[in-house]
Amino acid sequence: QQNVQQSPESLIVPEGARTSLNCTFSDSASQYFWWYRQHSGKAPKALMSIFSNGEKEEGRFTIHLNKASLHFSLHIRDSQPSDSALYLCAVTPYGGSGNKLIFGTGTLLSVKP
Amino acid sequence: GGIITQTPKFLIGQEGQKLTLKCQQNFNHDTMYWYRQDSGKGLRLIYYSITENDLQKGDLSEGYDASREKKSSFSLTVTSAQKNEMAVFLCASSIGGRQNTLYFGAGTRLSVL
Repeated sequence: QQNVQQSPESLIVPEGARTSLNCTFSDSASQYFWWYRQHSGKAPKALMSIFSNGEKEEGRFTIHLNKASLHFSLHIRDSQPSDSALYLCAVTPYGGSGNKLIFGTGTLLSVKP
Repeated sequence: GGIITQTPKFLIGQEGQKLTLKCQQNFNHDTMYWYRQDSGKGLRLIYYSITENDLQKGDLSEGYDASREKKSSFSLTVTSAQKNEMAVFLCASSIGGRQNTLYFGAGTRLSVL
């Protein structure tokens, strides 16, 4: 059974800071890796995904994936108050139909002006 | 674009009551999901369905039933509500497959007296 954990549980950073969020998973055969963002009282929305080891950058956001270390991360450059939200990592396990998506425990980010 | 509509938005039940939550999507997506979110934490998968009349159990299926009678709708039943239970139930849909992005509804907030 896939176990997906996030750290830290919550984080407060000043506006303009570089923020790092971490996610660990238990099965190195896991295939696809996602970050979702949920603003307070709203639906979660997909932010970014990565499918192979390495790094992927989109604007101020960068994902790093290291399958051997069972770890992937999200880095936010020049954090803004509008980035304040619950960040959820998610993993597609190996096998089956591929439709199953296992979410992590969440990191609550607060960016202070 | 499409939308996922969850009804009701708020649901108050009594201990032991059977409660049904409904979800409709107009994306024409094959796969639909039910997740539970406690106290702004991570999401736990209850059931998912990869096509009409298909049901797949998630890690949290005990105490719940699901039904997918049409491609566009997916319902979830809490078979016996637990006293003081409070959670948000999120419905999502996707095209399907391993590289799929999930699109979420706004959620149903459940309180059990």
